[in-house]
Amino acid sequence: GQQLNQSPQSMFIQEGEDVSMNCTSSSIFNTWLWYKQDPGEGPVLLIALYKAGELTSNGRLTAQFGITRKDSFLNISASIPSDVGIYFCAGGNSGNTPLVFGKGTRLSVIA
Amino acid sequence: NAGVTQTPKFRVLKTGQSMTLLCAQDMNHEYMYWYRQDPGMGLRLIHYSVGEGTTAKGEVPDGYNVSRLKKQNFLLGLESAAPSQTSVYFCASTPTGGTDTQYFGPGTRLTVL
Repeated sequence: GQQLNQSPQSMFIQEGEDVSMNCTSSSIFNTWLWYKQDPGEGPVLLIALYKAGELTSNGRLTAQFGITRKDSFLNISASIPSDVGIYFCAGGNSGNTPLVFGKGTRLSVIA
Repeated sequence: NAGVTQTPKFRVLKTGQSMTLLCAQDMNHEYMYWYRQDPGMGLRLIHYSVGEGTTAKGEVPDGYNVSRLKKQNFLLGLESAAPSQTSVYFCASTPTGGTDTQYFGPGTRLTVL
């Protein structure tokens, strides 16, 4: 089946630094989604991308849908301690096929 | 709206015991999903449902059964629990198909001894 390669697997950064993570796939997706999971909770949607080349921001978060439709990246600017968690990318196509999730990037922020 | 709720939040089982995890959503969503999350493995899809009365296998269905008798509920059953099924289980729902945002429940932490 389809797989997503998400990198890096984990990151340790200083508070105030910018963060970048990405997802790549061998196949095309029509939708890219980015989720964040806080410790002990379920994932929550951060940003949804529906068009190749689309660049969307949500506060300090910016995500892009790659032109080839096979990749996406998420940037977090000026990180703060509450950014700690696991970030998941997910790719989707229309129809009944479920979203495909990456394995996640675990972010730790050092104050 | 409560969104997606899961019952129970925690459970400890002995090997061979059975149990059912309940997922409920009050958003009138058609699609529902069950995932398991293990360290370093991300979210792996167990089973899903595209509507009341339907179910389909996901990536890791073995050892689990599901039922969707009512649109708002999706049950995950373990007939004979094994230590390999120790995990955190998440339920999710979405209005329609594969490009929709999935809304997740808070999770059930299951330990099988």
